[in-house]
Amino acid sequence: NAGVTQTPKFRILKIGQSMTLQCAQDMNHNYMYWYRQDPGMGLKLIYYSVGAGITDKGEVPNGYNVSRSTTEDFPLRLELAAPSQTSVYFCASSPEGGRSSYNSPLHFGNGTRLTVT
Amino acid sequence: AQKVTQAQTEISVVEKEDVTLDCVYETRDTTYYLFWYKQPPSGELVFLIRRNSFDEQNEISGRYSWNFQKSTSSFNFTITASQVVDSAVYFCALLLMDSSYKLIFGSGTRLLVRP
Repeated sequence: NAGVTQTPKFRILKIGQSMTLQCAQDMNHNYMYWYRQDPGMGLKLIYYSVGAGITDKGEVPNGYNVSRSTTEDFPLRLELAAPSQTSVYFCASSPEGGRSSYNSPLHFGNGTRLTVT
Repeated sequence: AQKVTQAQTEISVVEKEDVTLDCVYETRDTTYYLFWYKQPPSGELVFLIRRNSFDEQNEISGRYSWNFQKSTSSFNFTITASQVVDSAVYFCALLLMDSSYKLIFGSGTRLLVRP
């Protein structure tokens, strides 16, 4: 099992450019999440998905879009990059959202460090 | 409100000292789960412990111990005989018991262990 794989690891964007952060998991987890971590801060939830075809906004969704066409993949799209989106982005997955997920923590990817200049 | 507060932004200790990282949470749920994660300088998030609201027993794992007190809504983390390798940012998190099962994170405590 590779776990949760995020690509790319690093990226520099110019203001106004767009890009997609990729996230894939091979654990057949239904629940997937995108967080961002600003310097010196905790993680804030951008979007999440409870299964293929279902997505919902988190705490800080503005400027982002997501899709979940398969169980494995949960890409995050930035349409018009802004300096405020400079951050480290973490994707995570979790098993079924019942008691089993309480016994298993979120599985995090290693993050994508994005700089917008 | 559902939130996690880690009031200590940064702590610096000398190796072999004991150190306690504080975590205070707020939730309206009667059933909830709390977590601690470690983020070393390399940046990945490492799961340390999960605790559910029905189990107030303290837990010890090697040099790590956790003190969960529902009466004060706290879930504090103690490292005994700290080592340089313990230097990291530590996050406390609360699992939301709605259909999303989202984790709400505190802002983290940066621990620096000096040799």
